[in-house]
Amino acid sequence: DVKVTQSSRYLVKRTGEKVFLECVQDMDHENMFWYRQDPGLGLRLIYFSYDVKMKEKGDIPEGYSVSREKKERFSLILESASTNQTSMYLCASSSAGLAGGGDTQYFGPGTRLTVL
Amino acid sequence: AQSVTQLGSHVSVSEGALVLLRCNYSSSVPPYLFWYVQYPNQGLQLLLKYTSAATLVKGINDFEAEFKKSETSFHLTKPSAHMSDAAEYFCAVSERGANSKLTFGKGITLSVRP
Repeated sequence: DVKVTQSSRYLVKRTGEKVFLECVQDMDHENMFWYRQDPGLGLRLIYFSYDVKMKEKGDIPEGYSVSREKKERFSLILESASTNQTSMYLCASSSAGLAGGGDTQYFGPGTRLTVL
Repeated sequence: AQSVTQLGSHVSVSEGALVLLRCNYSSSVPPYLFWYVQYPNQGLQLLLKYTSAATLVKGINDFEAEFKKSETSFHLTKPSAHMSDAAEYFCAVSERGANSKLTFGKGITLSVRP
């Protein structure tokens, strides 16, 4: 089975801190994604990566950056955490596939981040 | 740009009753369509997906969905609800093309009454 793990289930940080959220997948997937989930808003894509050292902005990249130095690991960075970044953060991965698109994304359990 | 509409935020059914969760999409070309489920305190897992084979797609736990191009819909159904079906359900769309990303609907919470 595909396994996507996230470094923390719960995290509490203070405003202005630099925050690292780590995600690791064990299925040699090319694609990795970071979403945030807020009540009534569904999942919104922050950043994604199709290859090592490659990244693309999603729908809400402001205030975030990412790093992908190894294929299995994708990190989300909050350079200076703010209270409006309090949310559930979900990581996902998928294979590239031959046809393009249509590939199942596999999700980690999520990190609930609270910024005080 | 593609989008997904899930009307309402909460559906409540009795155990044993039909489950119907609606999803409509907007896309310039027939897309890939997905239903994901999120149980409390867990990540999302795939229920089923449409990738242009059969228009009626069967998924896990007796869920199924039918792709209707004329109605731009991909509604999720289950003939008989079980208490364990209580969860949040997300419809998502992906455009055809290499490495397409998913666009999710806002999600709908299903409650099942004993």
